[in-house]
Amino acid sequence: AQTVTQSQPEMSVQEAETVTLSCTYDTSENNYYLFWYKQPPSRQMILVIRQEAYKQQNATENRFSVNFQKAAKSFSLKISDSQLGDTAMYFCAFSLLQGGSEKLVFGKGTKLTVNP
Amino acid sequence: DAGVIQSPRHEVTEMGQEVTLRCKPISGHDYLFWYRQTMMRGLELLIYFNNNVPIDDSGMPEDRFSAKMPNASFSTLKIQPSEPRDSAVYFCAISGTGSYEQYFGPGTRLTVT
Repeated sequence: AQTVTQSQPEMSVQEAETVTLSCTYDTSENNYYLFWYKQPPSRQMILVIRQEAYKQQNATENRFSVNFQKAAKSFSLKISDSQLGDTAMYFCAFSLLQGGSEKLVFGKGTKLTVNP
Repeated sequence: DAGVIQSPRHEVTEMGQEVTLRCKPISGHDYLFWYRQTMMRGLELLIYFNNNVPIDDSGMPEDRFSAKMPNASFSTLKIQPSEPRDSAVYFCAISGTGSYEQYFGPGTRLTVT
């Protein structure tokens, strides 16, 4: 079974600084997707960024980028120029690409607070 | 959350009552998922549908929980009878074949007293 581990329950960062959230996963499969979701206090789950395992290039979306290390099964999220609106829970998620299964497995989340 | 509408947004009920949560996705999806989120257990997948057919309900905690998807634009999650431990936020999410990313509704916060 696939598992996703986020080892940092809580983190904080000063506005305008950079922060990195960690995520590791465990799978014996070779083809999969990885995602970061953001859940602000409004509790809406928002897709931040995704990474296909077969792509070596790290995904980037504006101030958000990932460091994908397939051999190490690591998928960290870097937020640059942190903004107050980045305050949220961040969830790492994993999805297999096989058999039509689209199931996502989520980590427990990291609560990020951006301080003014 | 424009892609998925969930109702009600908040539900407070007494133990033993029947609760029905509703999800109305936009068109263009092939998959629909029901999740439950609690502080203790995080996000758990309860059940998912592909083209309105239930594919995996192994996450449904008990027979008290049931889900239906009578058409591509509507799904329900029913709890009968409800118990205080069912208190949680329930999310509906959708995705399209081959996209693998899921888009979530705003969730229903259920409180069972």
